[in-house]
Amino acid sequence: DGGITQSPKYLFRKEGQNVTLSCEQNLNHDAMYWYRQDPGQGLRLIYYSQIVNDFQKGDIAEGYSVSREKKESFPLTVTSAQKNPTAFYLCASTTQGITGELFFGEGSRLTVL
Amino acid sequence: AQRVTQPEKLLSVFKGAPVELKCNYSYSGSPELFWYVQYSRQRLQLLLRHISRESIKGFTADLNKGETSFHLKKPFAQEEDSAMYYCALSGLTGGGNKLTFGTGTQLKVEL
Repeated sequence: DGGITQSPKYLFRKEGQNVTLSCEQNLNHDAMYWYRQDPGQGLRLIYYSQIVNDFQKGDIAEGYSVSREKKESFPLTVTSAQKNPTAFYLCASTTQGITGELFFGEGSRLTVL
Repeated sequence: AQRVTQPEKLLSVFKGAPVELKCNYSYSGSPELFWYVQYSRQRLQLLLRHISRESIKGFTADLNKGETSFHLKKPFAQEEDSAMYYCALSGLTGGGNKLTFGTGTQLKVEL
């Protein structure tokens, strides 16, 4: 079953802890993205990667980190430096080029207690 | 910087009425524009892209470079059109292809 898989779907974290969200795709896509979805604010780009071992900051990268060691994987770490981490996080992937369709995962909901 | 503006958070129409979801963009180059839709309890998915000039589920969108707009239209709304709609812009930056989304418009089709 091809697609993009995010895990976990729900995650609770105590303040001061780092947490890593997983994103895996078997679509052989070059580009991968992390977005944060908040009510009334739409999707905001956190980080994106066009190719293995390379990634770029998006519009709200502060307090987050990523890695792209493998083509199919693009994990996102929410660090303790992120001031308001409670949110819904979406991962997406697409073929190279600006006309490619973006395929989304089901999302991960992070709640900081 | 690239930006997408969707001025309406909520749009409520009656079944059979025309629908227009507004989208304006800001980008210095030649953008690629998209509409994405998220139905209840489903993944966000592509509805249509301007380069294809296609009609999907009765929806169309025309890129107006003079007005920097990409409004989504449908002549007769159906109940199943109720969903969250996002306008998105794809543009090349120094770091590669960057996709920027608007804040979204919730479309509610009432019977």
